[in-house]
Amino acid sequence: DAGVTQSPTHLIKTRGQQVTLRCSPKSGHDTVSWYQQALGQGPQFIFQYYEEEERQRGNFPDRFSGHQFPNYSSELNVNALLLGDSALYLCASSRDRGIEGYTFGSGTRLTVV
Amino acid sequence: TQLLEQSPQFLSIQEGENLTVYCNSSSVFSSLQWYRQEPGEGPVLLVTVVTGGEVKKLKRLTFQFGDARKDSSLHITAAQPGDTGLYLCAGLKYSGAGSYQLTFGKGTKLSVIP
Repeated sequence: DAGVTQSPTHLIKTRGQQVTLRCSPKSGHDTVSWYQQALGQGPQFIFQYYEEEERQRGNFPDRFSGHQFPNYSSELNVNALLLGDSALYLCASSRDRGIEGYTFGSGTRLTVV
Repeated sequence: TQLLEQSPQFLSIQEGENLTVYCNSSSVFSSLQWYRQEPGEGPVLLVTVVTGGEVKKLKRLTFQFGDARKDSSLHITAAQPGDTGLYLCAGLKYSGAGSYQLTFGKGTKLSVIP
């Protein structure tokens, strides 16, 4: 049973560009959450999608946006990239409020130069 | 203000020693989850504790949820080099409109020296 799949694994972008990251959740999971993790820090919550709608959002600017598709897969878009956006972006899927825990993908390492 | 305070931030011990990692908050959580993360990988769930006072054991790892469901601890007995990694605690909290949010602490970076 495949877990959470993220693509691409690594990405290098230039300041001001736009980027799209993709995530396929674990089979049976209907909720997708996105996190940003700086080096040596814990993951920071960006937003969560359920039933194709953004259900809640962390303290991130509007440059960060997302989408969930009918098959529960999700995209994270970041516009007008800044150097500070360089981080590991993690996608996590869950079901039933997440009480049983989240399943994380291996992440996308984004470097902005 | 960090919702979850994790301590210590760094821990370097010799193989065979015992250690405890603490996760504290002023908030009440629906569940407290512990994850372990290797470099370049996503966090992997170790355990979820839901009931106040709950204790769960996973081989040499013992997890405890505080009676008030605000804090938790992870105790490792006879640490092995394979235990090396970043240990993250995360609290699941109701955030309104039927949704729950999982918030992470900053993590404890454990190094076990052979």
